[in-house]
Amino acid sequence: DADVTQTPRNRITKTGKRIMLECSQTKGHDRMYWYRQDPGLGLRLIYYSFDVKDINKGEISDGYSVSRQAQAKFSLSLESAIPNQTALYFCATSGQGGWGITDTQYFGPGTRLTVL
Amino acid sequence: KQEVTQIPAALSVPEGENLVLNCSFTDSAIYNLQWFRQDPGKGLTSLLLIQSSQREQTSGRLNASLDKSSGRSTLYIAASQPGDSATYLCAVYMIYNQGGKLIFGQGTELSVKP
Repeated sequence: DADVTQTPRNRITKTGKRIMLECSQTKGHDRMYWYRQDPGLGLRLIYYSFDVKDINKGEISDGYSVSRQAQAKFSLSLESAIPNQTALYFCATSGQGGWGITDTQYFGPGTRLTVL
Repeated sequence: KQEVTQIPAALSVPEGENLVLNCSFTDSAIYNLQWFRQDPGKGLTSLLLIQSSQREQTSGRLNASLDKSSGRSTLYIAASQPGDSATYLCAVYMIYNQGGKLIFGQGTELSVKP
């Protein structure tokens, strides 16, 4: 079984709808992340969480919210989806390395979201 | 602001060739640099991680080098195989007051022809 799973894997929705993307991990990591990938722009960080009580905005958090339900679960919500949120979304986890620095990140398979 | 650039955006080579993928970054104050492989539908897999104090890392047919002063990293793939076809991403880890984060390049899409 995969260490990091994402559901759904594909989703097509309409403008204005509320969407939730879910991520679960079995690696026992405290740190979890949500990224989006757009063609020609690489991956960009949306939100990250260093433990259950810690939530931080990334570089493109507008229009998104997150919930860290447990150490192993981190969900991303689009309260009112818009077409420019069409992208590939990745969840990732990592452990804590020396001096609190983030260790190698492990990625889920991605969720392809299309907003019409 | 850190910017990571990968050239070329796409590369096609015949099987058996040795090849080099390039990554450049504008701010040399990185903590580490990672190379990832991305396969369709399978997310990203970490290939090599080079700490800022290191010059290179090797894993099998892969060798990654890092020159912080010039803001460059290369990923060398020896004796390429069709199974190496994927998108390769480099990412630098930056430390900020509020923590740290990975900053990704746009990727190089590699196709190895049998």
